[in-house]
Amino acid sequence: SYVLTQPPSVSVAPGKTARITCGGNNIGSESVHWYQQRPGQAPVLVIYYDSDRPSGIPERFSGSNSGITATLTISRVEAGDEADYFCQVWDSSSDRGVFGGGTKLTVL
Amino acid sequence: EVQLVESGGGLVQPGGSLRLACAASGFTFRSYWMHWVRQAPGKGLMWVSRISNDGSSTSSADSVKGRFTISRDNANNTLYLQMNSLKAEDTAVYYCATGYDFLDQWGQGTLVTVSS
Repeated sequence: SYVLTQPPSVSVAPGKTARITCGGNNIGSESVHWYQQRPGQAPVLVIYYDSDRPSGIPERFSGSNSGITATLTISRVEAGDEADYFCQVWDSSSDRGVFGGGTKLTVL
Repeated sequence: EVQLVESGGGLVQPGGSLRLACAASGFTFRSYWMHWVRQAPGKGLMWVSRISNDGSSTSSADSVKGRFTISRDNANNTLYLQMNSLKAEDTAVYYCATGYDFLDQWGQGTLVTVSS
């Protein structure tokens, strides 16, 4: 089955740029989606199809995907961005959803 | 406004059964594929199951296949997850969500605890 690998944690100072990676075999040929989950809350979609942003999500959130790594980039990080972030793909070969293990973003 | 409200969670003994429901409103439920996703305490997200908009196509994670069944009632805008032969490792918050290959809108979740 398809495996997505994320770093357990990323730390960034307010106002700086955070980059959260998601690794997978030839992930560049997959569509990658990203979710934000604040403590005690349900996940929220922040990026879909690699780089599209749902309405209501700030432009500070962007995504890219190439080769073996997809990246969620958060510019001008704010305290409210502190959360867990999960990448996800749909594995068409097995008809299964797959999530990465999640990355805890800490705003210093 | 899209609303997804899960219910049916609770404490159940190992080997027992539970049926979760997800009441949908604010959108044309019958037009949307739906998912169940779970999250064990302190852990990450795990995809559980998906159903097509008309209910004719379903898929499930290997760890629940043969024990969990996803279904829907489009007349009553409700998604279900029938869970049988429950194990301790099924303990989690269960979320329903809309979407085909990504999960667009999520409910707030319902907690299932499997313990004796």
